[in-house]
Amino acid sequence: RKEVEQDPGPFNVPEGATVAFNCTYSNSASQSFFWYRQDCRKEPKLLMSVYSSGNEDGRFTAQLNRASQYISLLIRDSKLSDSATYLCVVIRGTGANNLFFGTGTRLTVIP
Amino acid sequence: GAVVSQHPSWVICKSGTSVKIECRSLDFQATTMFWYRQFPKQSLMLMATSNEGSKATYEQGVEKDKFLINHASLTLSTLTVTSAHPEDSSFYICSASRDLGTQYFGPGTRLLVL
Repeated sequence: RKEVEQDPGPFNVPEGATVAFNCTYSNSASQSFFWYRQDCRKEPKLLMSVYSSGNEDGRFTAQLNRASQYISLLIRDSKLSDSATYLCVVIRGTGANNLFFGTGTRLTVIP
Repeated sequence: GAVVSQHPSWVICKSGTSVKIECRSLDFQATTMFWYRQFPKQSLMLMATSNEGSKATYEQGVEKDKFLINHASLTLSTLTVTSAHPEDSSFYICSASRDLGTQYFGPGTRLLVL
């Protein structure tokens, strides 16, 4: 089983829609969780960290469910500019080889 | 936020050439730097983890003699693709971390081997 799994999509949603992505992780010892956004042919950029209590940044809400071992990203009122690939990143602990990427979920927001 | 630069941003070279890519953390000291490769329409694949002053740790399937990594200081790591071949053509991205938490990515280097 992969360390981190995401539905690759694509998710095609109309402008203004609400869309949610999940990312599951296999190791219960995982400690830190992040969502990154990657635009086509660009490097990933940190979108938000994911905290146990959940966190919100404008139209974006991230949540962590340790019991079920998944993190989620909710985007409300989708904009055309939200079209990108969203990567979840899980860090298991200190030391090398502890950083795991999901394959990314591709989102296209349609006018 | 922290800034990571990469140089060069793109390289076109002949098969058999060695290519060196630099990754610099501009405004913080990076205890760890990571090197990734991304083929078109695929996810990032971790190649190796680089700690300052020590040998890099390579992921399974990544040839350490082909992809030489040097992390000489807390702000600079280099990746050298030795004797590059067309199948090495890819998007190479580095990231830097202060404490194995948030990763700050460089802008990437596009390598095309003819």
